[in-house]
Amino acid sequence: DQQVKQNSPSLSVQEGRISILNCDYTNSMFDYFLWYKKYPAEGPTFLISISSIKDKNEDGRFTVFLNKSAKHLSLHIVPSQPGDSAVYFCAASVKRSARQLTFGSGTQLTVLP
Amino acid sequence: EAGVVQSPRYKIIEKKQPVAFWCNPISGHNTLYWYRQNLGQGPELLIRYENEEAVDDSQLPKDRFSAERLKGVDSTLKIQPAELGDSAVYLCASSPYPPGGFDEKLFFGSGTQLSVL
Repeated sequence: DQQVKQNSPSLSVQEGRISILNCDYTNSMFDYFLWYKKYPAEGPTFLISISSIKDKNEDGRFTVFLNKSAKHLSLHIVPSQPGDSAVYFCAASVKRSARQLTFGSGTQLTVLP
Repeated sequence: EAGVVQSPRYKIIEKKQPVAFWCNPISGHNTLYWYRQNLGQGPELLIRYENEEAVDDSQLPKDRFSAERLKGVDSTLKIQPAELGDSAVYLCASSPYPPGGFDEKLFFGSGTQLSVL
């Protein structure tokens, strides 16, 4: 039973365009959501987070949108750069704590020069 | 500041052999996690430590897996005996936030790639 789903295993985008990565969840108790980026042979690195009291959080080129009624969140990267090519993991937790993160299966983003 | 350090980076063993992974968290981080990542999937929590106490080990297969965090700093995860299905990347993570802290995030090491033949 996957509580956090990333239905697109891969995504290709042209450099300079917008990348949109999607994530759906089923557990209505989730109230804290994070995105992690992972390069090959490295561990995941934190990118951006959002708590359920917000519907948008922005950090530079990265924006996360949360739609609680649809149990859906998305990560927007604008503009996309070749260095953004990596696997992106969506993760969710309860009580605004990262102590029990549930990860999605990841989306491989490729930004084409 | 040094990140989370894990060793070895790669390990190849035959089934039924024991194996151990080591993790040194970021200095001052009280919370330490071990995750397992199977191919094509996201990381899954195995065990969480607050200082030297294992406060969540509900997902750790205790028949063959064990972990320790002596003195509340570095940690070792052991598998004995290893099975074919244990092939995965084992990730260690740490967090500086106190228990119950909001908006915390985890800092991951590079992981140990285990192949069981």
